[in-house]
Amino acid sequence: QQQVKQSPQSLIVQKGGISIINCAYENTAFDYFPWYQQFPGKGPALLIAIRPDVSEKKEGRFTISFNKSAKQFSLHIMDSQPGDSATYFCAASTAGNNRLAFGKGNQVVVIP
Amino acid sequence: DTEVTQTPKHLVMGMTNKKSLKCEQHMGHRAMYWYKQKAKKPPELMFVYSYEKLSINESVPSRFSPECPNSSLLNLHLHALQPEDSALYLCASSIKTYNEQFFGPGTRLTVL
Repeated sequence: QQQVKQSPQSLIVQKGGISIINCAYENTAFDYFPWYQQFPGKGPALLIAIRPDVSEKKEGRFTISFNKSAKQFSLHIMDSQPGDSATYFCAASTAGNNRLAFGKGNQVVVIP
Repeated sequence: DTEVTQTPKHLVMGMTNKKSLKCEQHMGHRAMYWYKQKAKKPPELMFVYSYEKLSINESVPSRFSPECPNSSLLNLHLHALQPEDSALYLCASSIKTYNEQFFGPGTRLTVL
């Protein structure tokens, strides 16, 4: 049973466009929602994370939007660049629990 | 030092070999993790060490044996592996359990 559902599975975006990846969860005890970026052959890198006491967090071109009532959160990549081409994983966890529940991942390709 | 290092980067072993993977961090993190990642899949949690004690074993076969000699070092001992164990093995660490997990670059393991 997958606790975090991620969509779409893959995304092709023009350079300069906006990439949007969505995640939905069921467990209302989740209180930490990170996004990871992974390039081929590399480990996942923590990109940005949010806790449910805020609805939006922005770091540079990356923004997380969080909708607690809908149990959804999304990653927006503004002004997408070819260097952003990677696999993006959303995840969620609860306080005091080591386990990160990962989404299946989304491959983003930014074409010049 | 703000990174997790893993050695070796690549490992090829036969089904009768014994080998070890090594992970190191000098960020003062007291939780360390082993994950297994197959191609185009999210990382799967294998083991968690908290304050040098094994706190989670996700029903991993005994041919994988973790060890945490000190707060900076994590090993994964491998013995009698199967070809289906071929994967990217990732180490991660966090300040304490459930906080932001930082991943190493991984060891690409091939079992012949």
